[in-house]
Amino acid sequence: GENVEQHPSTLSVQEGDSAVIKCTYSDSASNYFPWYKQELGKRPQLIIDIRSNVGEKKDQRIAVTLNKTAKHFSLHITETQPEDSAVYFCAASNSFNKFYFGSGTKLNVKP
Amino acid sequence: NAGVMQNPRHLVRRRGQEARLRCSPVKGHSHVYWYRQLPEEGLKFMVYLQKENIIDESGMPKERFSAEFPKEGPSILRIQQVVRGDSAAYFCASSPDLGTGNQPQHFGDGTRLSIL
Repeated sequence: GENVEQHPSTLSVQEGDSAVIKCTYSDSASNYFPWYKQELGKRPQLIIDIRSNVGEKKDQRIAVTLNKTAKHFSLHITETQPEDSAVYFCAASNSFNKFYFGSGTKLNVKP
Repeated sequence: NAGVMQNPRHLVRRRGQEARLRCSPVKGHSHVYWYRQLPEEGLKFMVYLQKENIIDESGMPKERFSAEFPKEGPSILRIQQVVRGDSAAYFCASSPDLGTGNQPQHFGDGTRLSIL
């Protein structure tokens, strides 16, 4: 089955700096890569996603890049704000919509 | 437009009792997924259901755990004879028909199960 690895497990940045979270996957059949943000005690919320026919996608301060050859994808958050502090999960999915999640990155944005 | 609704939010059971967790998907969504999350850990896939069918239950323990998504009513995750190790947050997610490809999964607020 699919194996998704996520790094780093914790990330601390100063407000206004950029944050980058990286994930690798093992199954070349995976073709959909969503990112979720989970605040403490709350539900995971989709923040951005990318499909395998696209190399990059941007939504305001958030961007995701995908390298299919190397089987890795990354989340980029620019101009970080304290409200960006949360746990971020990447996931990979094949055509059957079964999501394999990474282990999460705890992002702390210091004011 | 109501999102995924899970109840109860918190459930306390004693060892040996049964736990029943309910999930109502987003209106119009016919795919339901259950995940388990331990503190400080990621989301582990348990089971994927469509109306009246189990599509993939490879992440669900063979014993004591069962899931259903009937034609009418919510999806139910049932844990029989609970043990302390079942304590976790259980999240349900739903998605629309896959149509032309994968669809985002929308999560509920979860049920936090505590076993005494």
